[in-house]
Amino acid sequence: NAGVTQTPKFRVLKTGQSMTLLCAQDMNHEYMYWYRQDPGMGLRLIHYSVGEGTTAKGEVPDGYNVSRLKKQNFLLGLESAAPSQTSVYFCASTLGGAVVNTEAFFGQGTRLTVV
Amino acid sequence: GESVGLHLPTLSVQEGDNSIINCAYSNSASDYFIWYKQESGKGPQFIIDIRSNMDKRQGQRVTVLLNKTVKHLSLQIAATQPGDSAVYFCAEKATGNQFYFGTGTSLTVIP
Repeated sequence: NAGVTQTPKFRVLKTGQSMTLLCAQDMNHEYMYWYRQDPGMGLRLIHYSVGEGTTAKGEVPDGYNVSRLKKQNFLLGLESAAPSQTSVYFCASTLGGAVVNTEAFFGQGTRLTVV
Repeated sequence: GESVGLHLPTLSVQEGDNSIINCAYSNSASDYFIWYKQESGKGPQFIIDIRSNMDKRQGQRVTVLLNKTVKHLSLQIAATQPGDSAVYFCAEKATGNQFYFGTGTSLTVIP
């Protein structure tokens, strides 16, 4: 049981390049989230998904797109990377469903640098 | 959007002492409040949560207190150990199962 796995762990992009971050969970969780973490700003919600085929915007969605084609995967895309997107990105998942569940399981993070 | 903030960005305590980490929130409609611990180089890890209709909840060496009158949340760690050194985040659960995090408090335990 690996929990939440993010790939890649590190990446350097040039301004204007595109990339996709992959998040995979093996806990059969309904809800998945993408956060970014910047110094002194905590974690900010980018996008989230409450189930396969659904996505919604969080606090800071601009410049990012997401897809949830399979229940276990949640992809975060950057179409045209900007230096302001330099950050550590975390994926998380929660059980979801009818019972309220507040325990989010996080991946190890992806450190992205845009030069 | 949501607003969750912390009073102190850093906290240093002696090993064996109790630690208190504070958090202020702004959304009265949040139904749960959660504390997470993040060790260096790792993702946040769930510690404890409290429902908005409760004032206090205890776990193993941790206690969370909720004061809805002043919109304040605190995490108390008893007999703080070196392994407790980490950044602690409070978070609130909003409608639609969205979680909003505070900026974090860095706890350093002095041996």
